Amino acid sequence: EIVLTQSPGTLSLSPGERVTLSCRASESVISTYLAWYQQKPGQAPRLLIYGASTRAGGIPDRFSGGGSGTDFTLTISSLEPEDFAVYYCQHYGSSLLTFGGGSKVEMK
Amino acid sequence: QVQLVQSGAEVEKPGASVKVSCMASGYTFTNYGIHWVRQAPGQRLEWMGWINAGNGKTKYSQKFQGRVTITRDTSATAAYMEVSSLRSEDTAVYYCARGVYNFYCMDVWGKGTTVTVSS
Repeated sequence: EIVLTQSPGTLSLSPGERVTLSCRASESVISTYLAWYQQKPGQAPRLLIYGASTRAGGIPDRFSGGGSGTDFTLTISSLEPEDFAVYYCQHYGSSLLTFGGGSKVEMK
Repeated sequence: QVQLVQSGAEVEKPGASVKVSCMASGYTFTNYGIHWVRQAPGQRLEWMGWINAGNGKTKYSQKFQGRVTITRDTSATAAYMEVSSLRSEDTAVYYCARGVYNFYCMDVWGKGTTVTVSS
């Protein structure tokens, strides 16, 4: 089973800053099956990125995804107040889905 | 609009079973899958399994195989997830989410159902 490791665990940043989150897979994965979600306290997750780099409907273009093989990133070009949340990567392979442990972006 | 509406919170005793429902609307139910994901307090998201709403085939995480059953009713455009032999560690928010086949991600989520297991 593929393990997804996200880093950093927590970041403290200010609005307007740029942030890049990492998702590392324990073995090479198919980019088509790599997604990112945002979750705010008390809410369900929201799909941000699928296919490693395609923004889901209604997602602002300050969010971008990239990477291939074992290393993937989610970048927020300029943090807005509503972007402070936990971000999860997710992968599908061998008929199973797995989530990373999450990266929390908190306000400094 | 596309939405998934889940059943209300449940409180169960250890050893009991719980069944959570997920009513879909706003799209052709049989063209998508339904995934179930849970989140224990303060913990990460944990994928439990999913059902192909068209043909009813299911796939479960190994962790939940044998203790979780996912079904669907196409006439009701609803999916169901039952967990048996509940223990305190099953206390969590349980989400259903619409599965997108080509990319195996989840694009629409229910609001979640809180299940509390306590004696």
